[in-house]
Amino acid sequence: DTEVTQTPKHLVMGMTNKKSLKCEQHMGHRAMYWYKQKAKKPPELMFVYSYEKLSINESVPSRFSPECPNSSLLNLHLHALQPEDSALYLCASSQESTTYNEQFFGPGTRLTVL
Amino acid sequence: DQQVKQNSPSLSVQEGRISILNCDYTNSMFDYFLWYKKYPAEGPTFLISISSIKDKNEDGRFTVFLNKSAKHLSLHIVPSQPGDSAVYFCAASTGGYQKVTFGIGTKLQVIP
Repeated sequence: DTEVTQTPKHLVMGMTNKKSLKCEQHMGHRAMYWYKQKAKKPPELMFVYSYEKLSINESVPSRFSPECPNSSLLNLHLHALQPEDSALYLCASSQESTTYNEQFFGPGTRLTVL
Repeated sequence: DQQVKQNSPSLSVQEGRISILNCDYTNSMFDYFLWYKKYPAEGPTFLISISSIKDKNEDGRFTVFLNKSAKHLSLHIVPSQPGDSAVYFCAASTGGYQKVTFGIGTKLQVIP
């Protein structure tokens, strides 16, 4: 199984809502990532979890709150978002080692903030 | 300020011919480079990579060339097939390997 799954595929939320994005992989990968991609822009790294611990936070606003409950699951909790947060949110995973390992991406969640 | 630049937003190539996708970078600390391919409604999938200690890496129809002095890399696809039509992202990393910087992508269309 070389698949990273993400739910939901689409999400529309108001600025006062609280919602969560979910990502799952069963490849035994110990590194998991959240990226944000806006239209006509490259994917931008938000967070990296390594062995279920947050290892990189790219100065992301606190209205985005990541969580890694176990080695297969990664969540992104959303609260009080702004319309400019509307984007495609991509999850990825990779093996964790001292040499580079390719990242496997999910299909993304298309988020619209009204 | 984009550290990885793909200056051609799109490219059209006839089936069977060579596709050449280009990428420039500004950060001299990058030491690992990758190409990802993305179909609509799917996440990017890894295609091929190259370490900065090499200048060429080949995998079947795909070859990546790295010119460190020019801070330039290119992806060659030979022969191009209609199934290669996708958006191609150039990406680079440094040191920790977890942190990857992507280019904006080039949309390749292979015409049958």
